[in-house]
Amino acid sequence: SQKIEQNSEALNIQEGKTATLTCNYTNYSPAYLQWYRQDPGRGPVFLLLIRENEKEKRKERLKVTFDTTLKQSLFHITASQPADSATYLCALLLNDYKLSFGAGTTVTVRA
Amino acid sequence: DTAVSQTPKYLVTQMGNDKSIKCEQNLGHDTMYWYKQDSKKFLKIMFSYNNKELIINETVPNRFSPKSPDKAHLNLHINSLELGDSAVYFCASSHISEQFFGPGTRLTVL
Repeated sequence: SQKIEQNSEALNIQEGKTATLTCNYTNYSPAYLQWYRQDPGRGPVFLLLIRENEKEKRKERLKVTFDTTLKQSLFHITASQPADSATYLCALLLNDYKLSFGAGTTVTVRA
Repeated sequence: DTAVSQTPKYLVTQMGNDKSIKCEQNLGHDTMYWYKQDSKKFLKIMFSYNNKELIINETVPNRFSPKSPDKAHLNLHINSLELGDSAVYFCASSHISEQFFGPGTRLTVL
């Protein structure tokens, strides 16, 4: 069966450090993978999309990699700030419309 | 200028009741979705409409019925509510890939 796993439920890091989140999947061949941010009591917000033929994508302090051989995406937050504290969700596109989400990793950045 | 809005934000009701959640998007998107997020924060697709046509219908009890009167609106009606229906329900819309989510409706069934 198809499965998406995010490496841990929670990640605590010191301000200024790099947070690295992992998204692994099995039995999928996604055309692309997305990362979303969700704050408590709010809906997810789109951050980045990376296609299967792209190795890396950057947006400000965020970096995403996509390894279709390992079936893994890494999401990095560099120079982390307390405002980066949130839950981060990876999502795989299964067909033209259907996104399948991982359970999320909650990041807490300590000042 | 809310892109995707949902009403109500909170809904508390008794088991067995029927309730509706409304969603509207002003982004001009063709596709709209309903997701359920349970207590473990797992976000799962329920339904999707494209240009008022149902294109995704996951394994959801038939007590749940979506309705799309036009491209900008997607409502969710739930009959005979059960305790297990308690969750946060999110509406979303998309044009191509990126999805825009509403603020969510927290449904509590007592």
